Amino acid sequence: AQKVTQAQTEISVVEKEDVTLDCVYETRDTTYYLFWYKQPPSGELVFLIRRNSFDEQNEISGRYSWNFQKSTSSFNFTITASQVVDSAVYFCALASGNTPLVFGKGTRLSVIA
Amino acid sequence: KAGVTQTPRYLIKTRGQQVTLSCSPISGHRSVSWYQQTPGQGLQFLFEYFSETQRNKGNFPGRFSGRQFSNSRSEMNVSTLELGDSALYLCASSLRRGATEAFFGQGTRLTVV
Repeated sequence: AQKVTQAQTEISVVEKEDVTLDCVYETRDTTYYLFWYKQPPSGELVFLIRRNSFDEQNEISGRYSWNFQKSTSSFNFTITASQVVDSAVYFCALASGNTPLVFGKGTRLSVIA
Repeated sequence: KAGVTQTPRYLIKTRGQQVTLSCSPISGHRSVSWYQQTPGQGLQFLFEYFSETQRNKGNFPGRFSGRQFSNSRSEMNVSTLELGDSALYLCASSLRRGATEAFFGQGTRLTVV
């Protein structure tokens, strides 16, 4: 069975600090995909990134960066120089083939001005 | 390009009643999935529809059902509502099946009293 663990339930940081959200996954599939979504107070899940299991290159998009390490089954997400607008719940998810997304429990990030 | 539209946004129902929720996917998207989000269980997969056929079903009782129309719009129905059905119901649309980018609506907040 597939499983995603986000051990950090809540994180609070002061604006401009860097913050890393952890994600550990379990799967027996050799081909799979990892995702990060952001859920602001409005409720919808906003897609951030999709990464396949064969691409371990780290990715950077503006202040966001992702570190994928198959050796530790982790797909961590770092926000550099956090801003108040980054406050949200962040979800890591896993899928393979035609299986539905399996989500972690989410990490609530609060960025304080 | 319009996003995923879910209606209604909020709903209050009494135990024992039934409810129908609607989801209009992004134009051109043929896959629609439904998720239930609660504080205790997190995001749980309900079902997936593609080309008017249910392709995947989560571990929910038969009171939960859905369908997809020829224009890809989808509805989900919950009969004999229970207090535990109170949740945010999220719809996601994708261009195709599989572990691809899914775009979510703002959800329907259902409260059962």
